[in-house]
Amino acid sequence: GQQLNQSPQSMFIQEGEDVSMNCTSSSIFNTWLWYKQDPGEGPVLLIALYKAGELTSNGRLTAQFGITRKDSFLNISASIPSDVGIYFCAGFHSGSARQLTFGSGTQLTVLP
Amino acid sequence: NAGVTQTPKFRVLKTGQSMTLLCAQDMNHEYMYWYRQDPGMGLRLIHYSVGEGTTAKGEVPDGYNVSRLKKQNFLLGLESAAPSQTSVYFCASSKTNQPQHFGDGTRLSIL
Repeated sequence: GQQLNQSPQSMFIQEGEDVSMNCTSSSIFNTWLWYKQDPGEGPVLLIALYKAGELTSNGRLTAQFGITRKDSFLNISASIPSDVGIYFCAGFHSGSARQLTFGSGTQLTVLP
Repeated sequence: NAGVTQTPKFRVLKTGQSMTLLCAQDMNHEYMYWYRQDPGMGLRLIHYSVGEGTTAKGEVPDGYNVSRLKKQNFLLGLESAAPSQTSVYFCASSKTNQPQHFGDGTRLSIL
């Protein structure tokens, strides 16, 4: 199946610092999504990207759809304690049933 | 404001037992999905449905069956549970060409 490489696997940062994480794929994706998962809950959609080169913001979060359509990154600015969680990238490639492929996640810890 | 609701939230089974996980969505979404999440891994697709009465296999379908008799419900069945099926199971739904919305998961342990 499709493979998504997400890095880093984990991050420990100080409150107020900026964070960057990225995903790369072995094949082209038509849509990139970024989700956040809090402990004991399901993933929640943060940002959706639909066009190569697209740069989209959601508050302190910014994500970009890579020009090659094989990568995406997520930046979080001025991190706060509630940013703690696991961040997943996910992508759609062409297909009739919109099957998502997920990265393995980035565990973010924000230190006070 | 329910969204995607999964029941039960927790379950412990013995090897060989059977059970059904229920997923219900109130957003009139066409597509529904069942994933499993294991430590250190992303979500892996088990089965999915593109509409009432239709289902299809995902990445890891073996040992599971599904049914979509009503548009709002998607059932995941384990006929003979195995320890390898210990996992957290997530249901999701979506409209056509829209991102998926997830439930809060069912934590299943097979002893």
